[in-house]
Amino acid sequence: QLVLTQSPSASASLGASVKFTCTLSSGHSDYAIAWHQQQPEKGPRYLMYLNSDGSHTKGDGIPDRFSGSSSGAERYLTISSLQSDDEADYYCQTWGTGTVVFGGGTKLTVL
Amino acid sequence: EVQLVESGGGLVQPGGSLRLSCAVSGITFSSYWMSWVRQAPGKGLEWVANIKGDGSEKYSVDSVKGRFTISRDNAKNSLYLQMNSLRAEDTAVYYCARVAAVTGINDYWGQGTLVTVSS
Repeated sequence: QLVLTQSPSASASLGASVKFTCTLSSGHSDYAIAWHQQQPEKGPRYLMYLNSDGSHTKGDGIPDRFSGSSSGAERYLTISSLQSDDEADYYCQTWGTGTVVFGGGTKLTVL
Repeated sequence: EVQLVESGGGLVQPGGSLRLSCAVSGITFSSYWMSWVRQAPGKGLEWVANIKGDGSEKYSVDSVKGRFTISRDNAKNSLYLQMNSLRAEDTAVYYCARVAAVTGINDYWGQGTLVTVSS
């Protein structure tokens, strides 16, 4: 079964960096994913498409502070030089035959 | 500029029906798969259904099969979700989203419309 696993919460200080992890279920380690950001009371915003080799393509207007990488079944989103409006929920997404799956999301608190 | 604007949400009683619409602009609408994704209050994102650009293929999450129908009108650049036999657990903000070319992920999102199922 295709499942994405994310930690429920993360925190980091203003100006620091933070790295989120999205783990693909067994047998799906070669899947590409997408990362999305959802600020409070807003709709999701597409951040990037991330391949299993770590190559990634960002969405329109996404700053260089956002980057992606991969290792095995894990997909990462790193945000550097944290700003206050980075405080949001971050979701990973992937797809399979006849299905689309989201991770449970990670809530980022900027201290 | 790509824009997706949902409408049609509201309060409906259990067992009732509602039709959501999504007006899309800024893209060649008929070239893209489209999605409905929902988010229950305080919860994460849940994919609901996808439809191919020409409407010839559709698929949906098991929990809505037989109750919800995704459709589109390419002449009107519009996406729809007909929701029947609504349950309390269908209460959510419903988002319309474009499916990125050659992939199954969503790369543009609307602002959402709230559906509340309650007596």
